[in-house]
Amino acid sequence: QKEVEQNSGPLSVPEGAIASLNCTYSDRVSQSFFWYRQYSGKSPELIMSIYSNGDKEDGRFTAQLNKASQYVSLLIRDSQPSDSATYLCAVNKDSNYQLIWGAGTKLIIKP
Amino acid sequence: GAGVSQSPSNKVTEKGKDVELRCDPISGHTALYWYRQSLGQGLEFLIYFQGNSAPDKSGLPSDRFSAERTGGSVSTLTIQRTQQEDSAVYLCASSLSLPDTQYFGPGTRLTVL
Repeated sequence: QKEVEQNSGPLSVPEGAIASLNCTYSDRVSQSFFWYRQYSGKSPELIMSIYSNGDKEDGRFTAQLNKASQYVSLLIRDSQPSDSATYLCAVNKDSNYQLIWGAGTKLIIKP
Repeated sequence: GAGVSQSPSNKVTEKGKDVELRCDPISGHTALYWYRQSLGQGLEFLIYFQGNSAPDKSGLPSDRFSAERTGGSVSTLTIQRTQQEDSAVYLCASSLSLPDTQYFGPGTRLTVL
């Protein structure tokens, strides 16, 4: 079992709909969770971080964390073609360790 | 402020040659990371530095790969006797501390002919 798992996709969502991206992790002691977006040919850029159970909203993006079930998700409301990218989930292993990365989910927003 | 910078942006080399890739982290960031990303693939962790020390070198693919960081700032990733399978984008990231948000540089695209 991989430490951080994501569906590779592609996930195709019509413009204006909600895109839901999921990530599961194996280490129960993980404390910090990050979502990054990577456009083709570009470097990853941070979208959101989340540290506590529940929802965290930032504009059209909502991160959801459920530590009991060991998953973190990213919702994108009112999806736009510019949201088409690969979304990477990253989880810290413990407070003195670097991030563990998922392989990413490719999201395609269809006009 | 300035972000993470990497040089060169592109490097084409012949098989068997040595290459050096450079990373300038964000000023004040104590942690620095090197990743490799092959076309269409996820991030492959190579090595990270906390200050000038590298607690975890387990991600380096072979002993042809080495990295150093001096003065708690600039880092150099060296690949000796390059092979075609080394062709990839090499990404550097830095963070204020462990395991804080990582900020990525633009990457170095390495092509080994």
